[in-house]
Amino acid sequence: NAGVTQTPKFRILKIGQSMTLQCAQDMNHNYMYWYRQDPGMGLKLIYYSVGAGITDKGEVPNGYNVSRSTTEDFPLRLELAAPSQTSVYFCASTKPGQLGELFFGEGSRLTVL
Amino acid sequence: AQTVTQSQPEMSVQEAETVTLSCTYDTSESNYYLFWYKQPPSRQMILVIRQEAYKQQNATENRFSVNFQKAAKSFSLKISDSQLGDTAMYFCAFMKHTNQGAQKLVFGQGTRLTINP
Repeated sequence: NAGVTQTPKFRILKIGQSMTLQCAQDMNHNYMYWYRQDPGMGLKLIYYSVGAGITDKGEVPNGYNVSRSTTEDFPLRLELAAPSQTSVYFCASTKPGQLGELFFGEGSRLTVL
Repeated sequence: AQTVTQSQPEMSVQEAETVTLSCTYDTSESNYYLFWYKQPPSRQMILVIRQEAYKQQNATENRFSVNFQKAAKSFSLKISDSQLGDTAMYFCAFMKHTNQGAQKLVFGQGTRLTINP
């Protein structure tokens, strides 16, 4: 079972560049999330989606954009990358009734130099 | 807004020992869920245990159990007979009860647990 798949696993960007982190899940989950994890910190919610065509901001949305054109995919777009966006990014998904059990991808480590 | 605090950045114990990880939280909600998630060195986070705030009985999952003190807003994780595979970062998390809408979790800073042979 694939579960939640994130690509790429590692990426180095220069300041001002843009990129998209891909996330796909094959569990037919309605809810999808993007978190970032900074060293020594917990996960912070960037954006989330409750279904195709519906997205909403989380705690730290500035500098990011998302879209949800299908149930399976939830890409995270970084525009004009900044050093402050150096982090590990996690995509997660779940469905109603899971009572907070999120299924996570393996993470994408992004470095902005 | 809810906050979750884990005051132990790192812990280390010998294999087969019992270890307790601490977590406190702040909320004005009366109905909510608390979780412990494990993030092994491979980095994929998995749910270890869940506690529903309206339940007085502490949750247990095999060697993992919690001590939930609602009045004190404390939620500790006890790992009995620790194993090398328990080495991981452990995150405490909070979620408001919701019948609909996204299940948004608030995470603590994490505790890095090392089990030594």
